[in-house]
Amino acid sequence: EVQLMESGGGLVQPGGALRLSCTASGFTFNNYVMAWVRQAPGRGPEWVASITGTEGRTYYADSVQGRFHISRDDAQNTLWLQMNSVRDDDTAVYYCAKPRLELQYLWHFDLWGRGTLVTVSS
Amino acid sequence: IIMTQSPANLSVSPGDTATLSCRASQDVSRHLAWYQQRPGQAPRLLIYSASVRAPGLPPRFSGSGSGTEFTLTITSLQSEDIADYFCQHYYNWPPYTFGQGTKLEIK
Repeated sequence: EVQLMESGGGLVQPGGALRLSCTASGFTFNNYVMAWVRQAPGRGPEWVASITGTEGRTYYADSVQGRFHISRDDAQNTLWLQMNSVRDDDTAVYYCAKPRLELQYLWHFDLWGRGTLVTVSS
Repeated sequence: IIMTQSPANLSVSPGDTATLSCRASQDVSRHLAWYQQRPGQAPRLLIYSASVRAPGLPPRFSGSGSGTEFTLTITSLQSEDIADYFCQHYYNWPPYTFGQGTKLEIK
């Protein structure tokens, strides 16, 4: 079955850290630039970060640049998001997402996980 | 690039047609996708390249537009269409931004 499954969300204090994981199955993981997309309550989705297969080239939204780190292990079909120095406005459901095409850019996403909730609060 | 959707809320009677709009602050050609998000679920890709339906999507969903103005039209509205709808551009380089959404309700 083609699916993505996130884990690792929870409650974290401002300034703290959290590591999210995403396990993929049913497609050739290495061929795709994988992404994290988040959605704050009542808001539209926001692309957070992406990482290419093989080279591991990374891309970040300005809002998380320097605080979050995306990584992957293609042998384990796993994607991670290390969240450091978290802020209140990082509170959101975090989705792992696969783009429709095996391209370096032009990402639009045809497979999403169910999401994992991250709540930043003291 | 800022994506602006209108209206924020839309109430339509069963069987009628819903028309959702999305405007880009810059020309994005036809690099535009539409997503449906039902309550408690992840977004689902409906339309890409402005007008191409994702596999399995019924033809009562259609997309149109290019440049900066785009439309998602849903005909013969059904209760299962109750959802939030988002547009996303994927023109040139990231960040590929989403709109704030239109909440579709059934009268």
